[in-house]
Amino acid sequence: DSGVTQTPKHLITATGQRVTLRCSPRSGDLSVYWYQQSLDQGLQFLIQYYNGEERAKGNILERFSAQQFPDLHSELNLSSLELGDSALYFCASSPRASGSTGELFFGEGSRLTVL
Amino acid sequence: QKEVEQDPGPLSVPEGAIVSLNCTYSNSAFQYFMWYRQYSRKGPELLMYTYSSGNKEDGRFTAQVDKSSKYISLFIRDSQPSDSATYLCARGLMEYGNKLVFGAGTILRVKS
Repeated sequence: DSGVTQTPKHLITATGQRVTLRCSPRSGDLSVYWYQQSLDQGLQFLIQYYNGEERAKGNILERFSAQQFPDLHSELNLSSLELGDSALYFCASSPRASGSTGELFFGEGSRLTVL
Repeated sequence: QKEVEQDPGPLSVPEGAIVSLNCTYSNSAFQYFMWYRQYSRKGPELLMYTYSSGNKEDGRFTAQVDKSSKYISLFIRDSQPSDSATYLCARGLMEYGNKLVFGAGTILRVKS
């Protein structure tokens, strides 16, 4: 158990809808990362937050947004969903923002299916 | 061209075999390299990391980095069925953020 909690584990929704994925980082970790994993694209970095502020941005679509709250949990909002958004969404956490060993602690993921 | 290229496999080997997993990368700015292991229906977990060229050993696992050819490898000795998983190579930059770029992952199956 990595200590990172993600909810929901599974989500099925329709095109055009909006969903929110939630992540609680390991106790004491200030950085939260969101990754998308699909069969054809692999594990893609979306965005990183450190202590409530956006720190790094990857291949995140404009339809997606994220935030990190004062209690350090994070939410990833996906809107106007398309079939191609079906994927596993992972949250990861680490103690610091940068300059670390690069070890990220991943949750078990939220599997999103868009029909 | 993807920043990190990795053969997706699957790679199937008998128990006890030596396994070689490989990645190439295109960005010379990458400063650290790591291997993550992902079991089915689980999140990735860090297996090994290294900052420099050369070899690093940890039990049955050896990570090898060749910065001149932008090539990294993971060797698994005496492979076990419990090693069956997807192995992801990753590169990172020690910059403002902590962005890691992952390869697509290689599926390994160790047959007993």
